Amino acid sequence: DAGVTQSPTHLIKTRGQQVTLRCSPKSGHDTVSWYQQALGQGPQFIFQYYEEEERQRGNFPDRFSGHQFPNYSSELNVNALLLGDSALYLCASSLWHEQFFGPGTRLTVL
Amino acid sequence: AQSVTQPDIHITVSEGASLELRCNYSYGATPYLFWYVQSPGQGLQLLLKYFSGDTLVQGIKGFEAEFKRSQSSFNLRKPSVHWSDAAEYFCAVGGGSSNTGKLIFGQGTTLQVKP
Repeated sequence: DAGVTQSPTHLIKTRGQQVTLRCSPKSGHDTVSWYQQALGQGPQFIFQYYEEEERQRGNFPDRFSGHQFPNYSSELNVNALLLGDSALYLCASSLWHEQFFGPGTRLTVL
Repeated sequence: AQSVTQPDIHITVSEGASLELRCNYSYGATPYLFWYVQSPGQGLQLLLKYFSGDTLVQGIKGFEAEFKRSQSSFNLRKPSVHWSDAAEYFCAVGGGSSNTGKLIFGQGTTLQVKP
């Protein structure tokens, strides 16, 4: 049983560009959450998707948006990238209260 | 406000010694509590969780944690540390009315293990 997978592994972008990160949840999981982890910090909750709708959102600007597909996979989109968006982006899937994390996508904004 | 505090940013212990990592939380409702471990450049792996019931919970890799409601704490312990335990450890709190609420993480504690 594959766990949570994320793509790409690493990404380098320049300021002002847009980026899309992808996540495939663990088999049987219907909920996907996204977190941003800056260097030396704990993960910060961005938002959560369930039944293709955004169910909860953290304190992130509208430049951060997402989508969930019928197969429960998800995308995170970030527009107008800033240097401060450089971080590890983690996806977590869950069926109940226990969240399983993927390996993350390392985004570097130059 | 909901928050998690891990007072120790960095801890160094000798291999074979006991370990305790501290975690204090602030949460309005009954919390669900978690400890995760992260190796460099990797995602988070769940060590253990507390939802309800017995306040001493056992996890993987020989870890355990004790929920103390009166102290708002959920400290992680291991009786004998192995060199492979060197990693970043995160305490997290979640819950709420939805069945899979967001997790609030502490800043993390870096564990270094001396040979």
